Amino acid sequence: QLHLQESGPGLVKPSETLSLTCTVSGGSISSSTYYWGWIRQPPGKGLEWIGSIYYSGSTYYNVSLKSRVTISVDTSENQFSLNLSSVTAADTAVYYCARQGLGDHVFDYWSQGTLVTVSS
Amino acid sequence: SYELTQPLSVSVALGQTARITCGGNNIGSKNVHWYQQKPGQAPLPVIYRDSKRPSGIPERFSGSNSGNTATLTISRAQAGDEADYYCQVWDSSSVVFGGGTKLTVL
Repeated sequence: QLHLQESGPGLVKPSETLSLTCTVSGGSISSSTYYWGWIRQPPGKGLEWIGSIYYSGSTYYNVSLKSRVTISVDTSENQFSLNLSSVTAADTAVYYCARQGLGDHVFDYWSQGTLVTVSS
Repeated sequence: SYELTQPLSVSVALGQTARITCGGNNIGSKNVHWYQQKPGQAPLPVIYRDSKRPSGIPERFSGSNSGNTATLTISRAQAGDEADYYCQVWDSSSVVFGGGTKLTVL
């Protein structure tokens, strides 16, 4: 059974960089049939896609966040990571990582989610 | 950019049929996926590729997609179906989520 687990600070100061890592177990991140994505959800609001990465390193980003987002992959550690720079209170959210089908782009496995609060 | 429109809320009587819509320009030409999210939990796919059910999802959940509207149908609604539901598509190299619909089972 595939399992995804995020790790990283739960509190980030304004203007700093939010960094999270998603560790995948029970399957290989180097599978040719999946992307790996980050999705967030501000408290009480809907889902927002941040971006996705293929094991080769190719990426897709949400246009509205593209200037601040970097997603990277470490196949040796079976992990992928999110960096979001210049954060503000509006970036406070539960952050999820998920597996995304290559052909249909469905997110079939999700992490439990981690709350990241931006506050001084 | 592509937009998906969902009603903010839908109510259904226990045991009746709930229909949640997801509107988008020519959405019938895209694969639509539906997620159920209960408070404090991660989203769970309940329908993918318009009408397919993942393993473990009851047959009461079904989906359709045509023209400018995709629909998630929940038959014989149960109290445990009360949740937020989100539709999702892939468009122009981007993932797009609908705004979500809160389903209340009366």
